[in-house]
Amino acid sequence: AQSVAQPEDQVNVAEGNPLTVKCTYSVSGNPYLFWYVQYPNRGLQFLLKYITGDNLVKGSYGFEAEFNKSQTSFHLKKPSALVSDSALYFCAVRDFGWYQAGTALIFGKGTTLSVSS
Amino acid sequence: DTAVSQTPKYLVTQMGNDKSIKCEQNLGHDTMYWYKQDSKKFLKIMFSYNNKELIINETVPNRFSPKSPDKAHLNLHINSLELGDSAVYFCASSHRGAADTQYFGPGTRLTVL
Repeated sequence: AQSVAQPEDQVNVAEGNPLTVKCTYSVSGNPYLFWYVQYPNRGLQFLLKYITGDNLVKGSYGFEAEFNKSQTSFHLKKPSALVSDSALYFCAVRDFGWYQAGTALIFGKGTTLSVSS
Repeated sequence: DTAVSQTPKYLVTQMGNDKSIKCEQNLGHDTMYWYKQDSKKFLKIMFSYNNKELIINETVPNRFSPKSPDKAHLNLHINSLELGDSAVYFCASSHRGAADTQYFGPGTRLTVL
């Protein structure tokens, strides 16, 4: 079965510094990987996804993620953190069953990013 | 225009009551989902529908019954509410492909007293 792991419950970084939020995955075939962000009392917002192609994926709000097949990782990165980036970040993998339509996202437990000024 | 909307945003009710949460999307998607986020922020799929047909029905109590009157709507009805049903429920939608992005609604915070 597909799964993702986010090894850090919380990441703390100073504003202006680079940030990394880690994600590793386990899948039986080729992975479809996603990052979402959740601000307090808000829904999940899509940041970016890896389907195929370039290992470096660029997304919303200056975020990017690097797919590494050998390390089965899909870490989220940003060159310069903003206080407004403080939120809960989820990594997710698409779950493949015998069906294709309606396949669910399997989420990691989330990582809280705290950016200090 | 809101892409995926849910009503109500907050729902406070007594144990044993029956309640419904409504979801609508105006993205033209044919697949819709319900996810549950527990108190530890863990997200898990409950149901998915494609073209009004139930695709995923995870192990949830049969007190939970989704209904999809058309492709743009997926409602969640919950009978005989229990304390453990307290959570945030998210609706999402996407096109049918596995690579397609799921877009989430703002969530409904259900509190059962």
